[in-house]
Amino acid sequence: GQSLEQPSEVTAVEGAIVQINCTYQTSGFYGLSWYQQHDGGAPTFLSYNALDGLEETGRFSSFLSRSDSYGYLLLQELQMKDSASYFCAVCRDDKIIFGKGTRLHILP
Amino acid sequence: DTGVSQNPRHKITKRGQNVTFRCDPISEHNRLYWYRQTLGQGPEFLTYFQNEAQLEKSRLLSDRFSAERPKGSFSTLEIQRTEQGDSAMYLCASSKQTEAFFGQGTRLTVV
Repeated sequence: GQSLEQPSEVTAVEGAIVQINCTYQTSGFYGLSWYQQHDGGAPTFLSYNALDGLEETGRFSSFLSRSDSYGYLLLQELQMKDSASYFCAVCRDDKIIFGKGTRLHILP
Repeated sequence: DTGVSQNPRHKITKRGQNVTFRCDPISEHNRLYWYRQTLGQGPEFLTYFQNEAQLEKSRLLSDRFSAERPKGSFSTLEIQRTEQGDSAMYLCASSKQTEAFFGQGTRLTVV
């Protein structure tokens, strides 16, 4: 089977930096993805890491350590519109399995 | 391309009735996924297709659930003899590689 662990909630201040961690246990691991979902909306793709290291896309970065079965999403210069749920997802055998998500609250 | 389209957006049904949902993926995407999501939870994997072949079905999925993708294009998800516990958002996603594109979902309410 597979399991993913991420914090259920994180709170940060507008303009600050926040890191959302994800640990996973799975067989047949290909890579780790991150998705954002606003209330009432559909999940949207943010990033994918297949290899160890940091991937940067604008204000968002994602990190993977395959040896530690660990990854994180880093959000910089937080804006109020970043208030959403963030899901890590493992890609295995062409299947995408999601964690339970981290609700990010941003304070002005 | 208009993205992944799901119909209907909302469905209210009485317990015991059958319901069918449709998903139209992005045209060049060969993979299609069905997920179920309840409030405060992540999308729960139900099943997925590579072209018209259904490659895996979650063991959490009862025999009341069936999905098809007859020509490798659109897909349908049918729930027979609905139960109140089936109330959820049903999400469809398609992909060509590692990025999945989601539809807006069908919200099912069983009363």
